[in-house]
Amino acid sequence: RKEVEQDPGPFNVPEGATVAFNCTYSNSASQSFFWYRQDCRKEPKLLMSVYSSGNEDGRFTAQLNRASQYISLLIRDSKLSDSATYLCVVKRSQGNLIFGKGTKLSVKP
Amino acid sequence: GAGVSQSPSNKVTEKGKDVELRCDPISGHTALYWYRQSLGQGLEFLIYFQGNSAPDKSGLPSDRFSAERTGGSVSTLTIQRTQQEDSAVYLCASSLAGTGGKTQYFGPGTRLLVL
Repeated sequence: RKEVEQDPGPFNVPEGATVAFNCTYSNSASQSFFWYRQDCRKEPKLLMSVYSSGNEDGRFTAQLNRASQYISLLIRDSKLSDSATYLCVVKRSQGNLIFGKGTKLSVKP
Repeated sequence: GAGVSQSPSNKVTEKGKDVELRCDPISGHTALYWYRQSLGQGLEFLIYFQGNSAPDKSGLPSDRFSAERTGGSVSTLTIQRTQQEDSAVYLCASSLAGTGGKTQYFGPGTRLLVL
């Protein structure tokens, strides 16, 4: 079983839609959790950290459920510019990041 | 300010040759990481440097892969006797510290193609 698993998609949604991505992780000792965004042929960039209390950044909301080892990302009012691959990322206690394979989102006009 | 830089941006080599990939982390960042991303695959951790500590080499796929970090700054990833399966994008990241959830910032990557 992969340490971080995501639905690869693609998710094809119209502008303005709300879309949710889910991710599960297998290592209960994982320390920190993130969502990164990767545009085609570009490096990953941090979108937001994920906390058990849930956190929101504009149209983006992230949630962590440690008991279920489950992470989510909700995007409201999708924009064309949100089209990208969203990477669920777990940080090990040693410091290195473990990436999911990513979920591809395509927002259409 | 300046981000993580990597060179070369692209490298084409013949099977069996050695290659060196360079990473310049953000100034002041003590932690440096190498990852690779093969076509259609997720990012795979390779090696991690934190300050003067011994590096975590647990992700290196074979003994053909090695990395150094000189003076706590620039790092070089060396692949000896390259194979076609080494073709990938090699990404370097740095952060202020290795633990504590510090954000890792990625460089643009080196695209390696082994013919």
